[in-house]
Amino acid sequence: DAGITQSPRYKITETGRQVTLMCHQTWSHSYMFWYRQDLGHGLRLIYYSAAADITDKGEVPDGYVVSRSKTENFPLTLESATRSQTSVYFCASSPGTGTDTQYFGPGTRLTVL
Amino acid sequence: KNEVEQSPQNLTAQEGEFITINCSYSVGISALHWLQQHPGGGIVSLFMLSSGKKKHGRLIATINIQEKHSSLHITASHPRDSAVYICAVRGNEKLTFGTGTRLTIIP
Repeated sequence: DAGITQSPRYKITETGRQVTLMCHQTWSHSYMFWYRQDLGHGLRLIYYSAAADITDKGEVPDGYVVSRSKTENFPLTLESATRSQTSVYFCASSPGTGTDTQYFGPGTRLTVL
Repeated sequence: KNEVEQSPQNLTAQEGEFITINCSYSVGISALHWLQQHPGGGIVSLFMLSSGKKKHGRLIATINIQEKHSSLHITASHPRDSAVYICAVRGNEKLTFGTGTRLTIIP
């Protein structure tokens, strides 16, 4: 089915473990984004990518790594998870910049114990 | 001070009431987005506007660039409109989000 998907939808891990959250879109959108959503904060941008092999930091990139070897995939890795990374993570995609609408995935709820 | 401020933070109204949610921003923007986040967590884009007014069904969004202010209106509100409404402003390639307005419509 076309669209933007995230996996897993729920994840519980322990402090210090590496975790990878997957994001896949079928529209061949150029831009992809990773956000985290926490109580009391709006969605905050972690990393974004303008095209395959092009990534850039957002507002809160520390502790996260991204890659984009293929246009349709944009995985987010927490190299050594910390409790402060407990959050809901949303992936989004957009055909381009400027005034383009972003399309959001369903989110991944991550708990770090 | 946040770049994007929404008011009110929470709003409860009776079914049928006219709803207004406000968004003020402090930076220059190329566009403003209104999004809806359902209780299940999914986020959908409602409007994207850079001037004037847009209407879709019972939803109306307006923006005043000079005053750096936008409003989202819902006419004849319904319980299914209950959600968090999020304002976001676009600078260059990125969006900056408000913290959202939680709307509850009581039957």
